[in-house]
Amino acid sequence: NAGVTQTPKFQVLKTGQSMTLQCAQDMNHEYMSWYRQDPGMGLRLIHYSVGAGITDQGEVPNGYNVSRSTTEDFPLRLLSAAPSQTSVYFCASSYMTGNTEAFFGQGTRLTVV
Amino acid sequence: AQTVTQSQPEMSVQEAETVTLSCTYDTSESDYYLFWYKQPPSRQMILVIRQEAYKQQNATENRFSVNFQKAAKSFSLKISDSQLGDAAMYFCAYRSSQGGSEKLVFGKGTKLTVNP
Repeated sequence: NAGVTQTPKFQVLKTGQSMTLQCAQDMNHEYMSWYRQDPGMGLRLIHYSVGAGITDQGEVPNGYNVSRSTTEDFPLRLLSAAPSQTSVYFCASSYMTGNTEAFFGQGTRLTVV
Repeated sequence: AQTVTQSQPEMSVQEAETVTLSCTYDTSESDYYLFWYKQPPSRQMILVIRQEAYKQQNATENRFSVNFQKAAKSFSLKISDSQLGDAAMYFCAYRSSQGGSEKLVFGKGTKLTVNP
C-alpha cells in the first residue's frame, strides 16, 4: 500500500519558471490538500479538494493552481515561481468524515532562485 | 475561522522525564476533532494521538496522553518517559465535524529536544 506519493522530493527553480508538484493516493480518499511549511509558520493550507472536479482555496492560494480530475491525483502548479514560494510542500489525503487520520506525502523542498 | 495556537516554539526534556506541550484553539463549534502530529527530522508527518470533542475521556496512546479541556479550549500533549526518538516538531491540529469544513488547521508547532 503506497499511501500518498509526492514527487519530486527536491526541486530548484529559477524565478519565473513554472512547475507541477505531483500527488497521488491509493486509499480512495475523498479529501486531498496541499500545505506549505515555513519556519515558525506551521503548515498553511494552499488549496484543497473534497472530490473529483471540486477544489477550493485555502489560506495562501496566490501563485498556485490545482485541479482534481480523478480521485487519486491532485497536482499543484506553480504558475510563475517567485523566491517567496521557497518552502517545503506537503500533500495530504483523508476520508471526509471526522477524526480520520490525514496521511501525508514525504514533502517537496522547493527552492526558487 | 478556527485558529490553533501553540505558545511554546521550543521545549526541552531530559530522557526518561515527562514533558507537556500546550495547544489552545478557537472555535464556535461544539463538535470537532483534535490531533497531535509529530514531524521528525525525516520530514514525515506522523499522527501521534487524536481526540473527539464529544468524548470527555482523554485519549491515551502508550506514553502519549492528552489533557482535553473543552471549556477552556485547551488540548495539551503529555509525553511520559521521554525517549531520544521523541525529538521532533509537534503540531496540534483542529478539524471541524461540519460538512463543508473539512480543513485541517495546524498550529505553528513546538520543537521538542530530548537531552540524554
